[in-house]
Amino acid sequence: GQQVMQIPQYQHVQEGEDFTTYCNSSTTLSNIQWYKQRPGGHPVFLIQLVKSGEVKKQKRLTFQFGEAKKNSSLHITATQTTDVGTYFCADQDTGNQFYFGTGTSLTVIP
Amino acid sequence: ETGVTQTPRHLVMGMTNKKSLKCEQHLGHNAMYWYKQSAKKPLELMFVYSLEERVENNSVPSRFSPECPNSSHLFLHLHTLQPEDSALYLCASSSGQESYEQYFGPGTRLTVT
Repeated sequence: GQQVMQIPQYQHVQEGEDFTTYCNSSTTLSNIQWYKQRPGGHPVFLIQLVKSGEVKKQKRLTFQFGEAKKNSSLHITATQTTDVGTYFCADQDTGNQFYFGTGTSLTVIP
Repeated sequence: ETGVTQTPRHLVMGMTNKKSLKCEQHLGHNAMYWYKQSAKKPLELMFVYSLEERVENNSVPSRFSPECPNSSHLFLHLHTLQPEDSALYLCASSSGQESYEQYFGPGTRLTVT
């Protein structure tokens, strides 16, 4: 499967600051998914990006897929304590196979 | 509630024990997955079943044996595990058509002593 690198591994921000996590691949991705896992919880699907250069927004979250479909980012504007958790990107290989990045653990300091 | 349930939620077993993890999805999905989540490691895809047929086995040791009797149920049979197998085991399902959005269960926290 394709290896997806995710950075940073950890991020501490003051409440109200912005946050960004990046996924990078050495090969072209067919599509990319983003998930959030709260502490003690399970991954929850956020969004899927398919098209080159695609940008999608969900309230304070902005998701981007690179023009070359080799990278993706998730940006959170004005973080809140409810944003705490680990954010994963996942690359879909052929069919039903998914390969997850290492995740970025976000801590929001009130 | 994601519509995917897993039992048990916690399991402690010795290395010589045999146990099974159970997953059930109530979403009418056609694909089911087992993942292993260890500390400081990415989610590892273990097995994929599509329409009850195994389509992926990512070099998982034979001490892990999956079973998918129908599209709603998935089992992971465990036998003579090692302490390094201690992890959170997550089950997921997806429709397998057009959208591959995965719905995860709450996981089973497994400790091998």
